[in-house]
Amino acid sequence: QSVLTQPPSASGTPGQRVTISCSGSNSNIGSNTVNWYQQLPGTAPKLLIQKNNQRPSGVPDRFSGSKSGTSASLAISGLQSEDEADYYCAAWDDSLNGQVFGTGTKVTVL
Amino acid sequence: QVQLVQSGAEVKKPGSSVKVSCKASGGTFSSYTITWVRQAPGQGLQWMGRIIPILGIVNYAQKLQGRITINADTSTRTAYMELSSLRSDDTAVYYCARGLDSASLHWGQGTLVTVSS
Repeated sequence: QSVLTQPPSASGTPGQRVTISCSGSNSNIGSNTVNWYQQLPGTAPKLLIQKNNQRPSGVPDRFSGSKSGTSASLAISGLQSEDEADYYCAAWDDSLNGQVFGTGTKVTVL
Repeated sequence: QVQLVQSGAEVKKPGSSVKVSCKASGGTFSSYTITWVRQAPGQGLQWMGRIIPILGIVNYAQKLQGRITINADTSTRTAYMELSSLRSDDTAVYYCARGLDSASLHWGQGTLVTVSS
């Protein structure tokens, strides 16, 4: 049972902007930084955003992250066909003393 | 260039144990966090636990406490995850990942563990 809630799906046409939300609580997002992962079919997850809004080297600037209170969001601007994947948010949870993942959002490029 | 190579697929009987290895090459080993994550077929990601070798810190997911053991051999740059009392719902792809804090930048290729009688 995931502690972080995401919408199950999101979609857009090429070039559009898509936003994915991640809702948590004071013990996780409210107290710690949020990371985002992209998982293409049949592959290991890839770190997309770390510490709320930092892109690791090599991640296109089309991807951006933000956090406010107990929620976070991932935005994909200029949507491309290769962005079709599952996206997960993650954060440390002080109450559980462990990391928690979001429920995951499947992004479809129409 | 950091690379994590995991051991091969396993088929286990219910009630038995499985031990998955994760060998790191490139970069330092001890000062990074090794995290274990699993993904059941068609399901999302589940955090299992982590180890920070240089600090000797190990944390486990509450749901797996008592069944999971994570350790690391710094001399061989290899981390291990052992899960006991296997059940059918432990069937999943198991990943190791390396990073700082809770952000995992490098991932292993995944190890499929199938639990079946």
